[in-house]
Amino acid sequence: DTEVTQTPKHLVMGMTNKKSLKCEQHMGHRAMYWYKQKAKKPPELMFVYSYEKLSINESVPSRFSPECPNSSLLNLHLHALQPEDSALYLCASSQDRRQGGEKLFFGSGTQLSVL
Amino acid sequence: KNQVEQSPQSLIILEGKNCTLQCNYTVSPFSNLRWYKQDTGRGPVSLTIMTFSENTKSNGRYTATLDADTKQSSLHITASQLSDSASYICVVSAGTNDMRFGAGTRLTVKP
Repeated sequence: DTEVTQTPKHLVMGMTNKKSLKCEQHMGHRAMYWYKQKAKKPPELMFVYSYEKLSINESVPSRFSPECPNSSLLNLHLHALQPEDSALYLCASSQDRRQGGEKLFFGSGTQLSVL
Repeated sequence: KNQVEQSPQSLIILEGKNCTLQCNYTVSPFSNLRWYKQDTGRGPVSLTIMTFSENTKSNGRYTATLDADTKQSSLHITASQLSDSASYICVVSAGTNDMRFGAGTRLTVKP
């Protein structure tokens, strides 16, 4: 299994809603990532988990809250988002971040619209 | 200033034609360079990796080159197909934990 599975594929939420994005991989990878991608732009790194510990938080607003319950799962909890947060949210995993220059395996993303 | 620059920003070609995408970088220290293909609404998929000692590598109709002296890489697509329509993103790794993404080239292949 070389897939990274993200749910839901599409999400529409109001600015007062609370929702969660989910990501799962069963490749035994020990690094997992959240990226945000606006239309016609490259992915921007948000968070990195290495061995289930948060290792990078790229100055992301607190309305985005990541969680890594175990080595296979990664969640992104959303609360009080703004319309400008509408984007494609990509989850990725890699084998072991400590080696560097890792190949990233991406999920298909969650297309988020904030109304 | 982005340390990974890709050109052209967008490209339209006819099916069956060849094309070449460029990636110039100033990232240092250089670890490796990967080309990813991203279909619309999907996550990027790795096409190939280039390390410091490699000059050229092929993956089917895709051929990547790397000139570590001039810090340039190219991705050549031969006999393009409609399914090649996508964004192609160059990602350069610096050191052990730093990946820099280019803005991508959006390729459209028309029948």
